[in-house]
Amino acid sequence: DTGVSQDPRHKITKRGQNVTFRCDPISEHNRLYWYRQTLGQGPEFLTYFQNEAQLEKSRLLSDRFSAERPKGSFSTLEIQRTEQGDSAMYLCASSSSGGPWETQYFGPGTRLLVL
Amino acid sequence: ILNVEQSPQSLHVQEGDSTNFTCSFPSSNFYALHWYRWETAKSPEALFVMTLNGDEKKKGRISATLNTKEGYSYLYIKGSQPEDSATYLCAFSNTGNQFYFGTGTSLTVIP
Repeated sequence: DTGVSQDPRHKITKRGQNVTFRCDPISEHNRLYWYRQTLGQGPEFLTYFQNEAQLEKSRLLSDRFSAERPKGSFSTLEIQRTEQGDSAMYLCASSSSGGPWETQYFGPGTRLLVL
Repeated sequence: ILNVEQSPQSLHVQEGDSTNFTCSFPSSNFYALHWYRWETAKSPEALFVMTLNGDEKKKGRISATLNTKEGYSYLYIKGSQPEDSATYLCAFSNTGNQFYFGTGTSLTVIP
């Protein structure tokens, strides 16, 4: 069990560019979650997958954001036409099932800075 | 939007001191309360998950209590060590489809 990994760890981009982040969950976990943390705030939910199906999206996930989980393994989060307000830490987590008592295991995050 | 609050926002203690933080959450539709420790440049680490009113959990020098009727949880650290320096996050869960996080308590233990 190597834990949840995320790539890249840091990304600096210019406003208007597209960026893509990758998350590799713990291998046997069915659930995968994306959160975003901005300065001074706790992590906020963006979306989650059950296997390859994206089952819920937060209103924070504007139409510039898209997430996929092909084949129910790794996931990607793409941000198109980045804005300075997208600067944040993007966290990925996975869990074996969706019960509220299930621990979500987090990756180290991808820190995005939009100039 | 569910409101989860943590206090204090930051804390500096001397090595050897004991300390505690508070997490407040909605008392209705409660299912679980999770505590995480997040050290800089690392992944948030799960500490405890608590589901029942009156739950008490312990892991080494760290312990937590839960009061679901009044909507709060306390995290205690006994004899703080420099390696305890981190941000401590609580997360409220009702459906399990997402966690609602507090803003965290940043702890610095001064050697």
